[in-house]
Amino acid sequence: TQLLEQSPQFLSIQEGENLTVYCNSSSVFSSLQWYRQEPGEGPVLLVTVVTGGEVKKLKRLTFQFGDARKDSSLHITAAQPGDTGLYLCAGARMDSSYKLIFGSGTRLLVRP
Amino acid sequence: DSGVTQTPKHLITATGQRVTLRCSPRSGDLSVYWYQQSLDQGLQFLIQYYNGEERAKGNILERFSAQQFPDLHSELNLSSLELGDSALYFCASSVAGVGNGYTFGSGTRLTVV
Repeated sequence: TQLLEQSPQFLSIQEGENLTVYCNSSSVFSSLQWYRQEPGEGPVLLVTVVTGGEVKKLKRLTFQFGDARKDSSLHITAAQPGDTGLYLCAGARMDSSYKLIFGSGTRLLVRP
Repeated sequence: DSGVTQTPKHLITATGQRVTLRCSPRSGDLSVYWYQQSLDQGLQFLIQYYNGEERAKGNILERFSAQQFPDLHSELNLSSLELGDSALYFCASSVAGVGNGYTFGSGTRLTVV
């Protein structure tokens, strides 16, 4: 059973389109992070959200943490081919452990 | 370069063999995490070390073991390898906790034939 469910699993869009990726759980997290991974490389941290309802923007990327700290979304405006990659959400549990639980990922392809 | 160094980058070995994967964390980071990434299961947490001590354990098989040395580098030992162990193995490091996120290495691709 995946603790963090991401949707959609795959997304193929045209350059210039907008998209939203969702990360949902029944568990509460103390923080949630988004990573992007390119082929042959390790995931790279994009953002960390900590407060319920928090919204963070990184250029054309907007991240939101749900009010109950159980879910998050990533919205990309005017997607570009350089946005292509595997997007992973990862949650830090409320217990004392520091390990991150990763979602299964959303594979995004932006076609020129 | 993320600052986390993993060696080797690729490894091909036969079933039943034993391999050691090595990770040097980013300078100043005390925590090291090992993850396994396969196509059908995403990133699975294996084990965490903090300043030389085991801090948390995930779904790590008994055939697998790890340690963190005084200089903070870590090794993941995989023994009695099976075909299903073929995967990408990532090491990540952090200062402490997860507030600042993880810094990942570029991984070791293990292929068991």
